[in-house]
Amino acid sequence: DAGVIQSPRHEVTEMGQEVTLRCKPISGHDYLFWYRQTMMRGLELLIYFNNNVPIDDSGMPEDRFSAKMPNASFSTLKIQPSEPRDSAVYFCASSYRSYEQYFGPGTRLTVT
Amino acid sequence: AQTVTQSQPEMSVQEAETVTLSCTYDTSESDYYLFWYKQPPSRQMILVIRQEAYKQQNATENRFSVNFQKAAKSFSLKISDSQLGDAAMYFCAYRSVYNNNDMRFGAGTRLTVKP
Repeated sequence: DAGVIQSPRHEVTEMGQEVTLRCKPISGHDYLFWYRQTMMRGLELLIYFNNNVPIDDSGMPEDRFSAKMPNASFSTLKIQPSEPRDSAVYFCASSYRSYEQYFGPGTRLTVT
Repeated sequence: AQTVTQSQPEMSVQEAETVTLSCTYDTSESDYYLFWYKQPPSRQMILVIRQEAYKQQNATENRFSVNFQKAAKSFSLKISDSQLGDAAMYFCAYRSVYNNNDMRFGAGTRLTVKP
């Protein structure tokens, strides 16, 4: 298996623009997680899905953030409008049941 | 909610020596999973080792082993024969098997390996 795939790997955008991050989980995994990592706040869980259904979105910072999982092989995290404080590395991870999560390579987002 | 605490923001070890990273967690659940992840400068999160709470035997993966003390809610990682490639951030993580399989990470410990 190719592992968890994220795109793009790097994204630079201007404040106010819409940003969409994409994730393809490992085939057969039933959980998908979105994390944000910054120096100041460390690794934060934003939202996770089980069988394509959002289970806990309490980590989503505000209404500018939204996530979808239209099918078992694809998820998006959207920020609209983006702000400089959204600059971070965003990770997607997937797992089967309660077992270990496998992380994607991350997307480094820079908002200027 | 479960919390995971890593009390050592930074640790340093001499190459070929042994180092232990600490992790404690708070939970009222009886069954769960614990993990250690490594994040090198490449920023890729890599699973190092996992422990099932119902197993008394401590997990071991080559030079990596854990000391799991369920009653004390402690889960430390021991790295033997440290190598330069072990230098990374290490995260301890807790995964519930009840609460929608909720997952929580500690703040991380930055390990430096001196040649």
